[in-house]
Amino acid sequence: DIVMTQTPLSSPVTLGQPASISCRSSQSLGHSDGNTYLSWLQQRPGQPPRLLIYNISNRFSGVPDRFSGSGAGTDFTLKISRVEAEDVGVYYCMQGTQFPITFGQGTRLEIK
Amino acid sequence: EVQMAESGGGLVQPGGSLRLSCAASGFTFSAYYMGWVRQAPGKGLEWVSVISNSGSNTYNADPVKGRFTISRDNSKNTLYLQMNSLRAEDTAVYYCAKYLRHFDCWGQGALVTVSS
Repeated sequence: DIVMTQTPLSSPVTLGQPASISCRSSQSLGHSDGNTYLSWLQQRPGQPPRLLIYNISNRFSGVPDRFSGSGAGTDFTLKISRVEAEDVGVYYCMQGTQFPITFGQGTRLEIK
Repeated sequence: EVQMAESGGGLVQPGGSLRLSCAASGFTFSAYYMGWVRQAPGKGLEWVSVISNSGSNTYNADPVKGRFTISRDNSKNTLYLQMNSLRAEDTAVYYCAKYLRHFDCWGQGALVTVSS
């Protein structure tokens, strides 16, 4: 199974400042079809998860452009250019390259 | 607008059974893989099952193999999860979602509590 490891597990940030979350996979997420199936989800308190980024860097419909994804192989990053109050919640990375599908442990973003 | 609505959750005794349903709308249901993801209270996300668009292929996480069965009725735009031999560790909110090697549209979830 591919293990997804996120750092940090908790991230206190100041409103208006940038934030960054890392995700490392135990093996390469490159698929034989040429794609890399790494996605990022946000879960606000009391809400279901919401897709932010898919295939490393593609923003899903309606996601603000302050969210961006990058990386390759086994190392990936989610960046928020300027944190807003509505960004509070838990962020998960997920790999869909092979079964079983696996998630990172989650990173809690909170406001200082 | 794409929507998923889970139903069928509730309290069940250990060893019991429950069937979850997920009514989908706003997209061509029969064209997409679908899946279930669960979240135990205060915990992270755990993948459960995925089914191909036709229903001919299914994939299940090891903790639920042999106990849970994913299925779909494309004529009713509905996804199902039959859960048998339930255990306390199956207690979670169960979400259905559209799957394209990422889960892009999620329902609100159905709470399943396994307890005597």
